[in-house]
Amino acid sequence: GAVVSQHPSWVICKSGTSVKIECRSLDFQATTMFWYRQFPKQSLMLMATSNEGSKATYEQGVEKDKFLINHASLTLSTLTVTSAHPEDSSFYICSAHGTATNEKLFFGSGTQLSVL
Amino acid sequence: AQTVTQSQPEMSVQEAETVTLSCTYDTSESNYYLFWYKQPPSRQMILVIRQEAYKQQNATENRFSVNFQKAAKSFSLKISDSQLGDTAMYFCAFGESGNQFYFGTGTSLTVIP
Repeated sequence: GAVVSQHPSWVICKSGTSVKIECRSLDFQATTMFWYRQFPKQSLMLMATSNEGSKATYEQGVEKDKFLINHASLTLSTLTVTSAHPEDSSFYICSAHGTATNEKLFFGSGTQLSVL
Repeated sequence: AQTVTQSQPEMSVQEAETVTLSCTYDTSESNYYLFWYKQPPSRQMILVIRQEAYKQQNATENRFSVNFQKAAKSFSLKISDSQLGDTAMYFCAFGESGNQFYFGTGTSLTVIP
């Protein structure tokens, strides 16, 4: 299957700082990338959908000024958590989809963010 | 809006036995895809199996097979010869071509040695 790389795997930061998470499709062009947040023992909560070259579409209740998403190329999307606070601590997962993935969605390995 | 329902929060099965995980969905679309994803303790989401709605034949991947009932909007996953490595959270998902994917709440499966 297609490979999606997500970095970092975990990050600890101080409250008020910003954190950037990268999601790369290594062997296919990702026309669409999704960003999810997952709480322990719960399902994936979609935060936003990003299409290459376009502004991201955010789900209701997700602050777009706090969670900045950039999808500048067909292989890279980034999620920046700005002015992070302890309540932003969570597991963040990206996924990617493209014309070559045969309607399948492939996931990064996730990023555990802990804000102190 | 599409919805995906998994009514079994937790299940367990003896090693080498067979277990079936249930999933129902609701949609007015005629062309869509259904998936089962596995999330082991590593938290990496892994695609287990995929079914195209326009295909009547049930998808099969080694020990994993589905029972797709389009009229009933049901999409269950059968795991045969369960192995310890099958212990994971399983998510049923619905996808429209190139668009949104919807996930169920998950079923936590434990394989007992």
